[in-house]
Amino acid sequence: GENVEQHPSTLSVQEGDSAVIKCTYSDSASNYFPWYKQELGKRPQLIIDIRSNVGEKKDQRIAVTLNKTAKHFSLHITETQPEDSAVYFCAASKEYGNKLVFGAGTILRVKS
Amino acid sequence: DAGVTQSPTHLIKTRGQHVTLRCSPISGHKSVSWYQQVLGQGPQFIFQYYEKEERGRGNFPDRFSARQFPNYSSELNVNALLLGDSALYLCASSLSGLSLGYQPQHFGDGTRLSIL
Repeated sequence: GENVEQHPSTLSVQEGDSAVIKCTYSDSASNYFPWYKQELGKRPQLIIDIRSNVGEKKDQRIAVTLNKTAKHFSLHITETQPEDSAVYFCAASKEYGNKLVFGAGTILRVKS
Repeated sequence: DAGVTQSPTHLIKTRGQHVTLRCSPISGHKSVSWYQQVLGQGPQFIFQYYEKEERGRGNFPDRFSARQFPNYSSELNVNALLLGDSALYLCASSLSGLSLGYQPQHFGDGTRLSIL
């Protein structure tokens, strides 16, 4: 079945620096790739998503890139702030957003 | 508008018991999915329901079952509870199945289930 690997498992950056989280998926039929942010004790919140017919998408300080050939996609956060500290999950779906397969998560710590 | 609501928020059970978890989707959303999140891991897909029919099942034993009601709310049932069932159970809703194309899933706060 589909498998999603996520790296790194933890990431510490200084406030104002950029953070990059990378994911690799196994099923070439995957067509939708969302990113969720989960703060301690709270629900996963969708922060950005990308479809397989798009290579890059940006929303203010966050961006996602997709390389279908290599089956890689990445989350980029620029000008990090302490409130960006959370666990970030990538996911993949081959049913237009249904039956998400999640990565193991990345703990992001932004030091002020 | 209210988001996805789940009840109860916390639950403590003992091995062998059964449990029912409840979920109300965002108004207008017809698809409900259930995920299990073990501490320190990403959510794992359990079930998807759309228009009261099961549209997908993850790799979980038959002890896990679910259903969706005419108002699109849903229940997840787990029988013969094991210690390993301790987890956060998340419900997510989306507008539809495949007919409307890409549909992001929105999660509830989850039910924290502890098995003693």
